[in-house]
Amino acid sequence: GAVVSQHPSWVICKSGTSVKIECRSLDFQATTMFWYRQFPKQSLMLMATSNEGSKATYEQGVEKDKFLINHASLTLSTLTVTSAHPEDSSFYICSASAPASGNIQYFGAGTRLSVL
Amino acid sequence: GEDVEQSLFLSVREGDSSVINCTYTDSSSTYLYWYKQEPGAGLQLLTYIFSNMDMKQDQRLTVLLNKKDKHLSLRIADTQTGDSAIYFCAATGGGNKLTFGTGTQLKVEL
Repeated sequence: GAVVSQHPSWVICKSGTSVKIECRSLDFQATTMFWYRQFPKQSLMLMATSNEGSKATYEQGVEKDKFLINHASLTLSTLTVTSAHPEDSSFYICSASAPASGNIQYFGAGTRLSVL
Repeated sequence: GEDVEQSLFLSVREGDSSVINCTYTDSSSTYLYWYKQEPGAGLQLLTYIFSNMDMKQDQRLTVLLNKKDKHLSLRIADTQTGDSAIYFCAATGGGNKLTFGTGTQLKVEL
């Protein structure tokens, strides 16, 4: 199957700082990438959908100025959590898809963010 | 919007079959998926089924789809301790978005 790499896998930061998470499709060109958030023992909540070269589409209730998404190339999307606070601590997971792969979403390993 | 539900917990003995059930509400979902998540890890795609299929088998995994009842199941034959994980079913909606179920934690006992 397709490989999606997510980096870093774990990050600890101080309150008020910004954190950038990268999502890369390693062996295919992803026209669409998705960002999810997962709280402990809960399901995945879609935060936003990003298409290469265009602005991300955010789900209702997700602050776009707080969670900046950039999808500058067909293999890379980034999520920046700006001015992070302890309530932003969570597990963030990205996925990537492409029409050539039947639009199946392949997931990264996730990034655990802890804000002190 | 789409609502996907699963039972929260399933416990089986090693070597038995496991059956994880899922129901969804949007009859227009074209693809239905099963993902596996191990502790602290991302999601691993196990299998998927098109909505015009009734069954799909892939080695130890069998997916059954009852489109009329909007019911999806995943059967794992000869369940092993390495199968212990959380299993999510997911259904596609508009824009290829996925709606995930709550996840079923499978515990395999010796």
